Amino acid sequence: TQLLEQSPQFLSIQEGENLTVYCNSSSVFSSLQWYRQEPGEGPVLLVTVVTGGEVKKLKRLTFQFGDARKDSSLHITAAQPGDTGLYLCAGALNSGGYQKVTFGTGTKLQVIP
Amino acid sequence: DVKVTQSSRYLVKRTGEKVFLECVQDMDHENMFWYRQDPGLGLRLIYFSYDVKMKEKGDIPEGYSVSREKKERFSLILESASTNQTSMYLCASLGQGNGPNNSPLHFGNGTRLTVT
Repeated sequence: TQLLEQSPQFLSIQEGENLTVYCNSSSVFSSLQWYRQEPGEGPVLLVTVVTGGEVKKLKRLTFQFGDARKDSSLHITAAQPGDTGLYLCAGALNSGGYQKVTFGTGTKLQVIP
Repeated sequence: DVKVTQSSRYLVKRTGEKVFLECVQDMDHENMFWYRQDPGLGLRLIYFSYDVKMKEKGDIPEGYSVSREKKERFSLILESASTNQTSMYLCASLGQGNGPNNSPLHFGNGTRLTVT
């Protein structure tokens, strides 16, 4: 059973369009992170959100943590070909004094010039 | 800059072989993780370790074991490789302090394992 579900799984859009990726769970997380992964490399952190309802912006990317800390969204404005990649959300759970980090199913984004 | 190094980029093994995947980090991080990545399933946690000689099962530990004899090294072991273990394996490390609230996981570049 996947703890974190992402939607959509695939997205192919034209340069300049807007898009939103969703990350949903029934679990409450202490924090949630978004990563981007390019072919042949490991995921690289984009942002961490900690507080319920928190919104963070990174240039054209806007990240939101749900009020109940169970879900998150990533919105990209005016997508560019350089945004192409696999986007992964990851939730952190505190368990027995250590951190367990669980990833979502991933959203593969292709931005066509 | 944190560096996480996985010993092999590509590995081809036969069914039934014992396979070792090695991961080394150079930032004195307490926490290390092994994930496997399959299309449509994201990254699934196999095992993690929060200290030397300590290990915890992740979400899909069956068919795997791990070893953390030294802080910088975390090994993933496939006791008897099977074809359904063909996958991309990613190792990651994480410092203590504030944990993932303020720190990223640092990933290696992955090992693509094929079991024939």
